[in-house]
Amino acid sequence: AQKVTQAQTEISVVEKEDVTLDCVYETRDTTYYLFWYKQPPSGELVFLIRRNSFDEQNEISGRYSWNFQKSTSSFNFTITASQVVDSAVYFCALMEYGNKLVFGAGTILRVKS
Amino acid sequence: SAVISQKPSRDICQRGTSLTIQCQVDSQVTMMFWYRQQPGQSLTLIATANQGSEATYESGFVIDKFPISRPNLTFSTLTVSNMSPEDSSIYLCSVELEVDRGNEQFFGPGTRLTVL
Repeated sequence: AQKVTQAQTEISVVEKEDVTLDCVYETRDTTYYLFWYKQPPSGELVFLIRRNSFDEQNEISGRYSWNFQKSTSSFNFTITASQVVDSAVYFCALMEYGNKLVFGAGTILRVKS
Repeated sequence: SAVISQKPSRDICQRGTSLTIQCQVDSQVTMMFWYRQQPGQSLTLIATANQGSEATYESGFVIDKFPISRPNLTFSTLTVSNMSPEDSSIYLCSVELEVDRGNEQFFGPGTRLTVL
């Protein structure tokens, strides 16, 4: 069985604050992929990052960074110096063999000016 | 990347009717997926649609309720049959493509369905 847990239902921050979105996953596979997607109010899903299970290097892309730790089965996402445009629902997802994505429940991020 | 379009973008339907949602991709893809996102919820995979074979449905979803067609490598349809208000959701198609950094799943803009 596979499962993705995003324990934070909703987070509110003030602009310029840093915020970390948590993601914990469960899988029995040794080969798997982890994703983060952003869903702004307009509804479309925007791909943010894909990480395979053999690459534990952290990644930084502008104000975004991701911390992948297999020891704790976590793949956390940090936004530095948050902006109002970052307000959205963020989904963490797991892909195992068969290329099917299993999504977490999502975290609503509200950034206030 | 892939450009994916869906028709209709939204619809309001009466209970008991059926709606067919179209998904068009600008490149040939082997695997297409259909997801449902109920109001305020996460995305759930309905089925995987590969060209030339029957769609594979996830637990809780059946072909009679969600028949899928995949006539070629750029197109698929999902029909929501005998609709009830519980079918009110966003329905999204997605495709998997190989890009520089590996395989990536691209999503269509979604079809917002409201059943009265």
